[in-house]
Amino acid sequence: GQQLNQSPQSMFIQEGEDVSMNCTSSSIFNTWLWYKQDPGEGPVLLIALYKAGELTSNGRLTAQFGITRKDSFLNISASIPSDVGIYFCAGRAQKLVFGQGTRLTINP
Amino acid sequence: EAQVTQNPRYLITVTGKKLTVTCSQNMNHEYMSWYRQDPGLGLRQIYYSMNVEVTDKGDVPEGYKVSRKEKRNFPLILESPSPNQTSLYFCASSPERGAYNEQFFGPGTRLTVL
Repeated sequence: GQQLNQSPQSMFIQEGEDVSMNCTSSSIFNTWLWYKQDPGEGPVLLIALYKAGELTSNGRLTAQFGITRKDSFLNISASIPSDVGIYFCAGRAQKLVFGQGTRLTINP
Repeated sequence: EAQVTQNPRYLITVTGKKLTVTCSQNMNHEYMSWYRQDPGLGLRQIYYSMNVEVTDKGDVPEGYKVSRKEKRNFPLILESPSPNQTSLYFCASSPERGAYNEQFFGPGTRLTVL
């Protein structure tokens, strides 16, 4: 079945650093989504990507839909304490599949 | 306020004791879904419903039941819970099945089965 490999599983960074995470798959997806989950909350959509090669920004966040349609990355620039949380990628073909998540921890 | 609510938020129970986790949305969404979240596995879909009286299995349906008698409610039923169902559960809704980008998640229910 369709599976996503999300990496890294966890990140420990200093405030102000840039962050990069990615998801890869052996399957082709039509849509890539990036969610953030704050502690004790449900995931919230950050960015949605609909076309291969698409590059989309949302404030300090930038995500790209890989040209092969099998991968996507999310970058966060100049991290701040409220960026802490778990970030999930999700790809959609016939159904929506989630990555394992990247837990981001920031040292002030 | 547009939202998805779940109750209870936390539940500790024993093996075999039937339980229901409620989910309600006030956005008139057709599509609703249940997920479980486990460390290292991300979110996995349990069941989904495309509209009233229409439900279907997701990736991990074993041991769960759902019903969709009204558009706003989508309860998750564990007839005989087992310890491997200890997990964090999320309900989600969206205007239509195809609009995954508009999927709204509830706050989660942390279930422990002893």
